[in-house]
Amino acid sequence: GESVGLHLPTLSVQEGDNSIINCAYSNSASDYFIWYKQESGKGPQFIIDIRSNMDKRQGQRVTVLLNKTVKHLSLQIAATQPGDSAVYFCAENYAGGTSYGKLTFGQGTILTVHP
Amino acid sequence: ETGVTQSPTHLIKTRGQQVTLRCSSQSGHNTVSWYQQALGQGPQFIFQYYREEENGRGNFPPRFSGLQFPNYSSELNVNALELDDSALYLCASSAQGLQGEQYFGPGTRLTVT
Repeated sequence: GESVGLHLPTLSVQEGDNSIINCAYSNSASDYFIWYKQESGKGPQFIIDIRSNMDKRQGQRVTVLLNKTVKHLSLQIAATQPGDSAVYFCAENYAGGTSYGKLTFGQGTILTVHP
Repeated sequence: ETGVTQSPTHLIKTRGQQVTLRCSSQSGHNTVSWYQQALGQGPQFIFQYYREEENGRGNFPPRFSGLQFPNYSSELNVNALELDDSALYLCASSAQGLQGEQYFGPGTRLTVT
């Protein structure tokens, strides 16, 4: 079945460093990918998305890279700040000809930023 | 613009009871999806509602059911609660029936004893 997995369950960085969070997905037909940030006691917060017809997308301090050849997704955070500390989830969407979006989430990576 | 809201924040129920959770979608959004997030896990898709009808369902038994109202708000109902139903229940809204950015509410923490 569909699944999304993460290579590194935890990541610790120093404030100001760049962070890279990786994600592997198994469904080569997935056509939409999203990164979410979840802080303790809160719902997932949308960070950035990318569609399968792209291989890179940039936002404010964040970049998502998509490598469809190896089914790999990454989130790069520039100049990481203590406020970036959270659990990060990648999610994939495969509509499969249906009219709805069903997100399949990975288990998450805990990012800890040290001042 | 009002974000996604959910109620209640926390809930404690006994095994076998029934529970109703509520969600108000973000202004302008017509689609609501529900997810279950067990501790230490990623959210799992339960079902989606679009134009007041179920528009897709994940691998959850029929005792999980829902409603969507004309104002696009939604309810999740769970009957015959089991201990494993203890989780954070998340509602996400989006602006169209097709895949699109989904914005999550803060969730309802359900504990079944």
